[in-house]
Amino acid sequence: DAGVIQSPRHEVTEMGQEVTLRCKPISGHNSLFWYRQTMMRGLELLIYFNNNVPIDDSGMPEDRFSAKMPNASFSTLKIQPSEPRDSAVYFCASSLENNRGPFSSPLHFGNGTRLTVT
Amino acid sequence: AQSVTQPDIHITVSEGASLELRCNYSYGATPYLFWYVQSPGQGLQLLLKYFSGDTLVQGIKGFEAEFKRSQSSFNLRKPSVHWSDAAEYFCAVVGGGSNYKLTFGKGTLLTVNP
Repeated sequence: DAGVIQSPRHEVTEMGQEVTLRCKPISGHNSLFWYRQTMMRGLELLIYFNNNVPIDDSGMPEDRFSAKMPNASFSTLKIQPSEPRDSAVYFCASSLENNRGPFSSPLHFGNGTRLTVT
Repeated sequence: AQSVTQPDIHITVSEGASLELRCNYSYGATPYLFWYVQSPGQGLQLLLKYFSGDTLVQGIKGFEAEFKRSQSSFNLRKPSVHWSDAAEYFCAVVGGGSNYKLTFGKGTLLTVNP
C-alpha cells in the first residue's frame, strides 16, 4: 500500500493566488482528515469527512478555505485567496472507521504539503 | 473541551539512556490517548494508543506508555534510546463528546547524542 499521498510536497505562491492541495487516502479507508501544522498553533484539525461527507468543518479558519471529497479516493483543500498567514504544513490523514469510531484503526498521515505564501 | 499538555519542548538524551516524555490531559472521563512520532519532513506515525483495559500499553519501536488516571497523565517511555529515535513526539487525546477530533499537544522534540 502506498499510504496517504499528498501533492504537491511544496507550494510557494504569492498572496492573493488560489492554492489547491490534493490528497489520495488509503484505499478502503472511509474517514479523511485535513490538519494544519504551524509552530505557533501546533496541529489543528481543519475538516473531517466520513464516507465522503463533511462531518465537521468547524476548524476551517475562514471562508477562504474550502474542502471537497468528490469520491472515496480523492480530496482537495483550496485556499482562495491565499494570505501569508496561511503558510504552514498541511496534512491529510485517513482511517477506517467502524462502530468503535475512526481510531479503531490507526490514523495514517501523508507526508504533508509545505505551503509558503509570500 | 479536552486539552493536552506536553511540558517539555525539547529533550536531549544520550544513546542507550532511558527516556520518558511527559503528557498530561484535561478531560472529565476516560479519553482515548495516543502517542505519535514525526520525523523531519514526514507525516505522523502512530506509536501506541490507549482505549481501555491494561493501563500499560506497548507500542512499536520498543515504546510503552502508562495511563495514570489519578495524575491525568500518559507518559511515553523507552528503556534504551537509539539514535534513530530522534524526532518530534506528539501526545493526543480524543474525547469530550467527539469520537473523531484528535487534540494534539504541542510536541516534544527529542535529540539523541551519540
